[in-house]
Amino acid sequence: DIQMTQSPSSLSASVGDRVTITCRASQDISSWLAWYQQKAEKVPKSLIYEASSLQSGVPSRFSGSGSGTDFTLTISSLQPEDFATYYCQQYKRYPLTFGGGTKVEIK
Amino acid sequence: EVQLLESGGDLVQPGGSLRLSCAASGFTFSSDAVSWVRQAPGKGLEWVSGIGSSDSSTYYADSVKGRFTISRDNSKNTVHLQMNSLRAEDTAVYYCAKRRVGNSGNFDYWGQGTLVTVSS
Repeated sequence: DIQMTQSPSSLSASVGDRVTITCRASQDISSWLAWYQQKAEKVPKSLIYEASSLQSGVPSRFSGSGSGTDFTLTISSLQPEDFATYYCQQYKRYPLTFGGGTKVEIK
Repeated sequence: EVQLLESGGDLVQPGGSLRLSCAASGFTFSSDAVSWVRQAPGKGLEWVSGIGSSDSSTYYADSVKGRFTISRDNSKNTVHLQMNSLRAEDTAVYYCAKRRVGNSGNFDYWGQGTLVTVSS
């Protein structure tokens, strides 16, 4: 199985900050990586697919990068509505696997 | 508008069974793979099971293999998850989610979830 490791597990940031979350896969997944946002255990929302493609309707302050085993989600200027938990997920092969999540909190 | 609506969650005793359903609308259901993803209270997301668009391929997490069975009825735009030999650790909100492109891609749409509680 492909293990996904996110870091940090939590972070505190202020509105307007640039935030970076990393995700590492235990083996090469090419660009088959997605990022999701989940607010207070509401329904997860897709942000990024294929490592760097923005899901329709997602603000351009969100961006993704990376390939192979190392990936990054960046929020260029944190907004109040961005405080949430973020998950990465590999979909190269089954079993599909998620990272443990990164909780972004208000400083 | 794409919609996924789960049902069937309930309180069940350990060792019991439950059948979850996911009713889909707003897209060509028979073209897209669907999965179940769960979230235990206060925990992260865990993929549980998936089924291909044509129903010929099914996949399971090790934690549920041999206990859960996924199926789909493309004539009724519905996916089911039959859950047997339930354990306390199966307690979670269960989401159904469809894959963005046929049998591949990320999960672009999710249902609202249905709560399964396994307790005596």
